[in-house]
Amino acid sequence: AQSVTQLGSHVSVSEGALVLLRCNYSSSVPPYLFWYVQYPNQGLQLLLKYTSAATLVKGINGFEAEFKKSETSFHLTKPSAHMSDAAEYFCVLTGGFKTIFGAGTRLFVKA
Amino acid sequence: KAGVTQTPRYLIKTRGQQVTLSCSPISGHRSVSWYQQTPGQGLQFLFEYFSETQRNKGNFPGRFSGRQFSNSRSEMNVSTLELGDSALYLCASSSTGTAVETQYFGPGTRLLVL
Repeated sequence: AQSVTQLGSHVSVSEGALVLLRCNYSSSVPPYLFWYVQYPNQGLQLLLKYTSAATLVKGINGFEAEFKKSETSFHLTKPSAHMSDAAEYFCVLTGGFKTIFGAGTRLFVKA
Repeated sequence: KAGVTQTPRYLIKTRGQQVTLSCSPISGHRSVSWYQQTPGQGLQFLFEYFSETQRNKGNFPGRFSGRQFSNSRSEMNVSTLELGDSALYLCASSSTGTAVETQYFGPGTRLLVL
């Protein structure tokens, strides 16, 4: 069975602080993992993806994520939050003809 | 390249009616997937089409159906609408729909059922 768990439905950080959004997965087949961002009233936009080429993946807007097989995790980080990062973030697992979304984490950035 | 487009963007219907939503994928993309997004259930997979064939289907009742045309444009239809069908319906396209590919999402159609 495949599943994705995002820890924390809401995360609040101050501008300039580290952003850490957590994602754990379960998969019986080699997983492909994605992080997408959704701004209000918009569709989802790809931030980055893991496709087994490298465990540390760099994405757009300064985000990166590290695939840790031993911990079944794919946490998203950004060293310094910006106000424009306020949005909802989804961790997504694909494999075996299935696409499974995490519940999403809404990121708030305080000035 | 133009992105994924969805029409209409907003729609209001009443219970019992039916609705058809349209999605035009990125040029050259042959896989189109549909998702339902609600505050309570999050993002859920409806179905995926590739070359006019439904390849994969989520756990939705038969009232939800779709099709894909030879130009890869896709439509989804919901018959006998229920209040719980109120949601943002997102479509996404990719080249061939393999697990490793990025999906490109449209802005969605927001459906309100009264």
